[in-house]
Amino acid sequence: KAGVTQTPRYLIKTRGQQVTLSCSPISGHRSVSWYQQTPGQGLQFLFEYFSETQRNKGNFPGRFSGRQFSNSRSEMNVSTLELGDSALYLCASSFTVSDYGYTFGSGTRLTVV
Amino acid sequence: GENVEQHPSTLSVQEGDSAVIKCTYSDSASNYFPWYKQELGKGPQLIIDIRSNVGEKKDQRIAVTLNKTAKHFSLHITETQPEDSAVYFCAAKRAGKTGANNLFFGTGTRLTVIP
Repeated sequence: KAGVTQTPRYLIKTRGQQVTLSCSPISGHRSVSWYQQTPGQGLQFLFEYFSETQRNKGNFPGRFSGRQFSNSRSEMNVSTLELGDSALYLCASSFTVSDYGYTFGSGTRLTVV
Repeated sequence: GENVEQHPSTLSVQEGDSAVIKCTYSDSASNYFPWYKQELGKGPQLIIDIRSNVGEKKDQRIAVTLNKTAKHFSLHITETQPEDSAVYFCAAKRAGKTGANNLFFGTGTRLTVIP
């Protein structure tokens, strides 16, 4: 069974640009969550989607947004990139929004220069 | 919100010895406590988890204990092997409930097993 797939694996962007990251959950999983991982702040929750609706949101500025499609695939977008947005962005999926366990993808490494 | 603290930040052990990592949490409503292992270039991988209605769980060389009263839980790895070297994260969550039920992570422990 295929795991959580995140694309692309690596990205280099310039300050001020925007970026879109993609996540395909495990087949049958309908909930997708996004986390940002940095050396300084660790793993921090961005948002969670279920049935194309944002169910929960972390404490990030409005430049960070996401969406989920009818096939449960999700995208997150970061606009007006800042150097501090350089991070590993992780997607995790589960069957439902209240599930106990998540399965994480390998992440997208974003570098902002 | 929930606050999860994790200690130590780094841990070196000789191969074959045991390793213990400890975490505390602040939200008494948290009821699910997973442990993740993260290797270089990979996402976190769930290695063991425990729910609040259980005090201890074991899976081969790995065990987790939970003390709800004291709000702390620990990961125990016995007979460590070089392939156990990685960063380990504890986490807490209000599972089975709607609303703010995301995972709150500890800051991680870099475990090095010396052959």
